[in-house]
Amino acid sequence: DVKVTQSSRYLVKRTGEKVFLECVQDMDHENMFWYRQDPGLGLRLIYFSYDVKMKEKGDIPEGYSVSREKKERFSLILESASTNQTSMYLCASRTGYGYTFGSGTRLTVV
Amino acid sequence: KNEVEQSPQNLTAQEGEFITINCSYSVGISALHWLQQHPGGGIVSLFMLSSGKKKHGRLIATINIQEKHSSLHITASHPRDSAVYICAVSSGSARQLTFGSGTQLTVLP
Repeated sequence: DVKVTQSSRYLVKRTGEKVFLECVQDMDHENMFWYRQDPGLGLRLIYFSYDVKMKEKGDIPEGYSVSREKKERFSLILESASTNQTSMYLCASRTGYGYTFGSGTRLTVV
Repeated sequence: KNEVEQSPQNLTAQEGEFITINCSYSVGISALHWLQQHPGGGIVSLFMLSSGKKKHGRLIATINIQEKHSSLHITASHPRDSAVYICAVSSGSARQLTFGSGTQLTVLP
């Protein structure tokens, strides 16, 4: 089975900190995604990548950047964390057979 | 108007009941996905459909491409089926997902 691993289950960070959320997949998938999930707003796409060093903005990229230096790892970076970035963050990878999601990182910015 | 509309938003059923969750979409898609999310956040992919019908155990998913509509059915529902069920459509260069708002299903014993 494909595994998508997010490095942290829960994180608490201070306003203004630079935050790194890491995601690793073990099946050589080309396409990887970062979503955030908020009550009442559902799941929304932040960024995606279709190959190493290739990235595209999703629907809500403001305040975020990403890095994909190796195929298996896709990192989401909050350049200067703000309280409105408190959310559940979900990483996913995709093949022609469908999506595999990580277990999520619940980030609280205080 | 959302591109993916799901109904109902909340559903409570008695164990053993037949359950249907509906999804309509308004955009061109490469596939439609049904996902399951349990408390705690992890999302599991149940089905990916581009036409017709798929079955896995007590779960059945159908799609009507012409009507842009899909249904997820659960037969002989069980309390362990209690979860949020999310419809999503894939489109775009990387077949990225656009999600419905989810259906909170509670199955009572």
